[in-house]
Amino acid sequence: QQQVKQSPQSLIVQKGGISIINCAYENTAFDYFPWYQQFPGKGPALLIAIRPDVSEKKEGRFTISFNKSAKQFSLHIMDSQPGDSATYFCAASNDMRFGAGTRLTVKP
Amino acid sequence: DAGVIQSPRHEVTEMGQEVTLRCKPISGHDYLFWYRQTMMRGLELLIYFNNNVPIDDSGMPEDRFSAKMPNASFSTLKIQPSEPRDSAVYFCASSQRRNQPQHFGDGTRLSIL
Repeated sequence: QQQVKQSPQSLIVQKGGISIINCAYENTAFDYFPWYQQFPGKGPALLIAIRPDVSEKKEGRFTISFNKSAKQFSLHIMDSQPGDSATYFCAASNDMRFGAGTRLTVKP
Repeated sequence: DAGVIQSPRHEVTEMGQEVTLRCKPISGHDYLFWYRQTMMRGLELLIYFNNNVPIDDSGMPEDRFSAKMPNASFSTLKIQPSEPRDSAVYFCASSQRRNQPQHFGDGTRLSIL
C-alpha cells in the first residue's frame, strides 16, 4: 500500500538547527502533497501543503521544497525548537497515502 | 466548530468480541477517512467515503472489518470477530473536498486481549 516513501525514520537535531525530512512518491497523478504533525495521544494535524505547480512553499519556519521531475518533496524546519518534537508524516493524493513517519527530537 | 469526534477514546475487549468505533465528521465535509496506526505499519488508510458512498476499501484488512456511513454526520467501523492483532489506534478524518486538508479526530485506542 506504501506509495510514499519517507526518510529518515528518526531525526535528532539541536535547538536552532535545521530539520530536513524527505519523501518520494511514485504516482505522477498525485496533485496534493501535505505534511502533517502528530503529538503523542493526538491525531495528525495539517502543517503545510503544496501543489505541483510550485516548487517551494514557506510558512513561517516551515518550508516545503518540491521536485516534480524527481518525484520528491521535502520538509525543512528552520530554527528547530524543542516544541517541534513530534512525528511528521508526508502524504500524497489522490487517496491520501501517508509516509511511514519521522520522529523528530529537538534537543535544547 | 467541534472538530472530528470519535468514540470511544479507549476500548479494551477480549478476542472474538464485536467492536464498533464511531465517528462524527465536521459538518459540511464531503469526505470521511478511516485510518489505523501501529508502530509496525504506520498510518494505514483503511477506507474512505465521498458523500456517504464508499470509494476505496482496498485497505480494509479482511472481511472481519466493515465500515458504514448511513448519513453525512455519522460513520462506524466494525470489527467482528476481533483479534489481538487488531490492537491499534484507529483514526477518523474528514475533509471538505478531495485534496483539501484532512481534520483528524483524537483516535480510538483499541486493545484486544
